[in-house]
Amino acid sequence: GQQVMQIPQYQHVQEGEDFTTYCNSSTTLSNIQWYKQRPGGHPVFLIQLVKSGEVKKQKRLTFQFGEAKKNSSLHITATQTTDVGTYFCAGIRDYKLSFGAGTTVTVRA
Amino acid sequence: DVKVTQSSRYLVKRTGEKVFLECVQDMDHENMFWYRQDPGLGLRLIYFSYDVKMKEKGDIPEGYSVSREKKERFSLILESASTNQTSMYLCASSWGRAGVPEAFFGQGTRLTVV
Repeated sequence: GQQVMQIPQYQHVQEGEDFTTYCNSSTTLSNIQWYKQRPGGHPVFLIQLVKSGEVKKQKRLTFQFGEAKKNSSLHITATQTTDVGTYFCAGIRDYKLSFGAGTTVTVRA
Repeated sequence: DVKVTQSSRYLVKRTGEKVFLECVQDMDHENMFWYRQDPGLGLRLIYFSYDVKMKEKGDIPEGYSVSREKKERFSLILESASTNQTSMYLCASSWGRAGVPEAFFGQGTRLTVV
């Protein structure tokens, strides 16, 4: 099956710092989605990237899709305690939505 | 608001029991998915369905089956529950095959098999 790998698995961040989480696929993706799961909650859709090289921003979050459509990144600037949770990327191929293992973010105040 | 409802938040079953996990969505979505979530492994796709009575295997279908008799309802069946099926199960739904839209998740069912 499709392999979508995410690194790092855990990210411990000082409040106010920036960090990046990466998503890599073994195959070319038609598009990629990002989700956030708060502790005790369920995954919630953040954004979808479709075009090669696409960059989208949501306030302090910047999402990028690689030129070859096999990797993606999420960069968060000035981390806040509200950013705590697990961030998943999900690759779409043949209409199947396959998730990576996620990056779990904790924030030190 | 889209609502995806899973029948139970917590479930405890005995080894060998037949287990039904039910999921209902209220937005007339064509696609429905079942995932299991385990620490360090993320969400793994068990089965998905893109139409009534249609189903396709995901990455880990062994030990599971599904049923979609009505558009709004997608059931996951564990024919003979085993302890290694103890997990969080998440149902999701999305619009149809035109484009690839976002998935909406239910609250999850934490299943413990003893």
